[in-house]
Amino acid sequence: AQSVTQLDSQVPVFEEAPVELRCNYSSSVSVYLFWYVQYPNQGLQLLLKYLSGSTLVESINGFEAEFNKSQTSFHLRKPSVHISDTAEYFCAVSLLIGGGADGLTFGKGTHLIIQP
Amino acid sequence: ETGVTQSPTHLIKTRGQQVTLRCSSQSGHNTVSWYQQALGQGPQFIFQYYREEENGRGNFPPRFSGLQFPNYSSELNVNALELDDSALYLCASSQYSGRARVQFFGPGTRLTVL
Repeated sequence: AQSVTQLDSQVPVFEEAPVELRCNYSSSVSVYLFWYVQYPNQGLQLLLKYLSGSTLVESINGFEAEFNKSQTSFHLRKPSVHISDTAEYFCAVSLLIGGGADGLTFGKGTHLIIQP
Repeated sequence: ETGVTQSPTHLIKTRGQQVTLRCSSQSGHNTVSWYQQALGQGPQFIFQYYREEENGRGNFPPRFSGLQFPNYSSELNVNALELDDSALYLCASSQYSGRARVQFFGPGTRLTVL
């Protein structure tokens, strides 16, 4: 079984400062990795995904994440945050075994708080 | 392209009752997954439907059941509601193409059990 650990439940950061949200996973097989963002009272929006290929993946709004297989990590980074980035961020992992189900396993989330 | 929609938005039930939540998949998607998100927690996988069959389930009891229809929309049914069933229920749709499904979520249904 796989699991996801988000090491920080809350990360306060000043506007325009860089940020890193940490995510580690455990799995005995190859995984697919995702970051989702959740704004208050809303569903989850896909931010980034790693399926294969380049270990560095980027989103259209300036976030990036790097898959590190040896450290089983998929940390999320942004060089300069904006007030609108305030939200809950979830790291998730899925396995695809044959044609079976691939339900996502989520971490507990990191609340990113941007301070003016 | 229409995204994932869910109904109702909010629901209040009492303990012991039964509830049905509905989800319409994103256009072109053939797989639906359901998740339960308790307050302050990450979502937990309930089950997944593909081609109208349940093809996997998380650690949830049988009183959580579902259906997928030929148009790929889906229902989540919960019988004998308990107070701990109060949560945000999220539906996600995806397209199976031989590798990882990328799941797209709806806005959720907030269920309160009194």
